[in-house]
Amino acid sequence: DAGVIQSPRHEVTEMGQEVTLRCKPISGHNSLFWYRQTMMRGLELLIYFNNNVPIDDSGMPEDRFSAKMPNASFSTLKIQPSEPRDSAVYFCASSWRGPAAAFFGQGTRLTVV
Amino acid sequence: QQQVKQSPQSLIVQKGGISIINCAYENTAFDYFPWYQQFPGKGPALLIAIRPDVSEKKEGRFTISFNKSAKQFSLHIMDSQPGDSATYFCAASKESARQLTFGSGTQLTVLP
Repeated sequence: DAGVIQSPRHEVTEMGQEVTLRCKPISGHNSLFWYRQTMMRGLELLIYFNNNVPIDDSGMPEDRFSAKMPNASFSTLKIQPSEPRDSAVYFCASSWRGPAAAFFGQGTRLTVV
Repeated sequence: QQQVKQSPQSLIVQKGGISIINCAYENTAFDYFPWYQQFPGKGPALLIAIRPDVSEKKEGRFTISFNKSAKQFSLHIMDSQPGDSATYFCAASKESARQLTFGSGTQLTVLP
């Protein structure tokens, strides 16, 4: 298995632009998580899907952030409009038995200038 | 109530030495305590985990010590190797819950 696949690996965009991050979870996993990692705030859970349904989005910072999971093999995290404070590494993770056993992707490093 | 405090922020150890990273939590409802290892440019990877019904768990050179009354747990890396150089995160959760609460991370450097 190739693991959790995220794209792009790096994204540089201008403030105000729309950014879409993509994730392909490990086949057979029924839970998917989006995390954000910054020096200031560490690792934060943004949203959690179970069986393609959003279960907990309380970590989504504001309405500019949205996430979808149209099927078991694909999820997106969208930021519109993007702001410099959104600059971070965004991780997608998947698991079949809860957050602690989650496998993380390699992350997308987002820079908003 | 949800906070997990991790120390030290950085740690330098000689090859063959013991690396010790400490974490403390506040929420007594937490019942699952994993440690993650993260190499530069990679996502965190589950290293070892413990539940509060045991005081110690060992996997190879990695040991978790757990003190329920003090609400503290620690990671010990025996015979530390340069390949162990990475950032280590402790975390805590209720297994029935969705969210892991992560510590702030410890950057470990093992000198050859």
